[in-house]
Amino acid sequence: ETGVTQTPRHLVMGMTNKKSLKCEQHLGHNAMYWYKQSAKKPLELMFVYSLEERVENNSVPSRFSPECPNSSHLFLHLHTLQPEDSALYLCASSQDGGPSQPQHFGDGTRLSIL
Amino acid sequence: KQEVTQIPAALSVPEGENLVLNCSFTDSAIYNLQWFRQDPGKGLTSLLLIQSSQREQTSGRLNASLDKSSGRSTLYIAASQPGDSATYLCAVSGGSNYKLTFGKGTLLTVNP
Repeated sequence: ETGVTQTPRHLVMGMTNKKSLKCEQHLGHNAMYWYKQSAKKPLELMFVYSLEERVENNSVPSRFSPECPNSSHLFLHLHTLQPEDSALYLCASSQDGGPSQPQHFGDGTRLSIL
Repeated sequence: KQEVTQIPAALSVPEGENLVLNCSFTDSAIYNLQWFRQDPGKGLTSLLLIQSSQREQTSGRLNASLDKSSGRSTLYIAASQPGDSATYLCAVSGGSNYKLTFGKGTLLTVNP
């Protein structure tokens, strides 16, 4: 139990569907992150939120839309995805987004696009 | 652009061996370096975090070193056990928002 919970664990969707990934952290952290992990590629940072404000958008296509309603919850809204978007999506949190604190990861959502 | 390389990509050892995993990075302007462990179908677990001003960190059977000027880090695992089998990821923090850049990982198998 890492203190970061992601739902659903697995998701299969068609290219025209709209779905959302959810992340919840119980650690009292103020920074939250979305990462994408594709086969044979390094983990890629997608978005960073600090105190509910988006502070980093790492050139992510607009078909991925993040939302951070409060410091404990982070969503990733998905629409009109492509087959290459199939991957493991990981959420993480850290105390304050600074360099002295490690990031704590959830177990991810395995997304498959048909 | 920061790039992180991990060698070897895969490693298989018998139980009880001491082993070293390697990580190199191209831009030495980092805030810290972290080693993570990832089990199949799971997220990442932070093992060790070395600040840029530090040379090494130790936790139990794990020891990580950092040579920032040469852009290298090693993770030393003593007396390996089958439970150590996992993918080990190295990541460096730098740039705006202390962004983490990851390597592709080393898949470690410890055979009983």
